[in-house]
Amino acid sequence: DADVTQTPRNRITKTGKRIMLECSQTKGHDRMYWYRQDPGLGLRLIYYSFDVKDINKGEISDGYSVSRQAQAKFSLSLESAIPNQTALYFCATSDRDSSGANVLTFGAGSRLTVL
Amino acid sequence: GQSLEQPSEVTAVEGAIVQINCTYQTSGFYGLSWYQQHDGGAPTFLSYNALDGLEETGRFSSFLSRSDSYGYLLLQELQMKDSASYFCAALREAGTALIFGKGTTLSVSS
Repeated sequence: DADVTQTPRNRITKTGKRIMLECSQTKGHDRMYWYRQDPGLGLRLIYYSFDVKDINKGEISDGYSVSRQAQAKFSLSLESAIPNQTALYFCATSDRDSSGANVLTFGAGSRLTVL
Repeated sequence: GQSLEQPSEVTAVEGAIVQINCTYQTSGFYGLSWYQQHDGGAPTFLSYNALDGLEETGRFSSFLSRSDSYGYLLLQELQMKDSASYFCAALREAGTALIFGKGTTLSVSS
């Protein structure tokens, strides 16, 4: 089994629908992240969490929310999806120390299409 | 604010050496990382430089100069399988998350 598992892997939805992308990990890492990837724009940080009670906004958090249900689970929600949220979404985890925080383990990605 | 600049594309032939540069502007700095991503796949960690100098891992090396706000990834003995996107990333301060550059697409031809 993968260390970082994302579900669903692919999703097509319509404008205005609520969507949840889920991430679970078996790395035992405290830190979890959600990134969005668009062609030519690299990976942009949406939200990150350093423990169950710690949630932080990233570069592009507008239109998204997150929930850290447990150390191993971090979900990303789009309350009302819009077409420009069509992208490849990655969940990642890392260790807690400053050097470990540079070493991210990524999930396989969730490709979301909003029509 | 924080930004990392890297070339959008680089091409090379098998067996050659290629250098991918990354310059950064950050309000703080806790090191430079490099990631590889094959088309549509998950990014994977390659290397990390916390201090100035060269870090070598097999065919790949990474260099950092804090005084120049500059680093590079050096790929030697290029193989076709090295065709991928390469991202530099930086941690602005402890207690934050990695910010990535826009990526460099490396195409290796025979």
